[in-house]
Amino acid sequence: GQNIDQPTEMTATEGAIVQINCTYQTSGFNGLFWYQQHAGEAPTFLSYNVLDGLEEKGRFSSFLSRSKGYSYLLLKELQMKDSASYLCACMDSNYQLIWGAGTKLIIKP
Amino acid sequence: DTAVSQTPKYLVTQMGNDKSIKCEQNLGHDTMYWYKQDSKKFLKIMFSYNNKELIINETVPNRFSPKSPDKAHLNLHINSLELGDSAVYFCASSQDMSSSGANVLTFGAGSRLTVL
Repeated sequence: GQNIDQPTEMTATEGAIVQINCTYQTSGFNGLFWYQQHAGEAPTFLSYNVLDGLEEKGRFSSFLSRSKGYSYLLLKELQMKDSASYLCACMDSNYQLIWGAGTKLIIKP
Repeated sequence: DTAVSQTPKYLVTQMGNDKSIKCEQNLGHDTMYWYKQDSKKFLKIMFSYNNKELIINETVPNRFSPKSPDKAHLNLHINSLELGDSAVYFCASSQDMSSSGANVLTFGAGSRLTVL
């Protein structure tokens, strides 16, 4: 079956760095997405990886290793507004998105 | 202008009723979706639809039906509502569902359905 695993909840301190991991098992692979969802709001797109390596976008970076079925989202210089759920989603060979349950990130002062 | 707008934002209704949620996108996207997010925050695809093809998640009860009058609109009709239908329903759109790089989803703000 197809499966996305990510931690349920993480806590970090304002100004610090946090890494949210995601492992996946899918039928084929056409890329991996990260979305951010603040409580009570819609998910918004953060990043897309289809090749191995690190993609950097400001304070956020996303890494992919296809051979390991593994990705992480790295958030630097954490701000209180980064408190949200982070959703990992993988696109399978049929271009269908398989979603993880999300990681709730709590930022403490 | 809101890119993907859905109404109503909140919907409270009795079991057994029939209700609809409307969705419109002004992005010129070819594909629209309906997702259900339950209390555990899991996003589950219900339908994806473009001009040519409707893909239905086989786990979705046939009480749920999408209706698309044109490519900018995809409404969700729900018949005979049940308690378990209580959730947040998100509409989304993407440029092209067949190309992964272009398949970034833009979500609406969500419609919270409560069935009593």
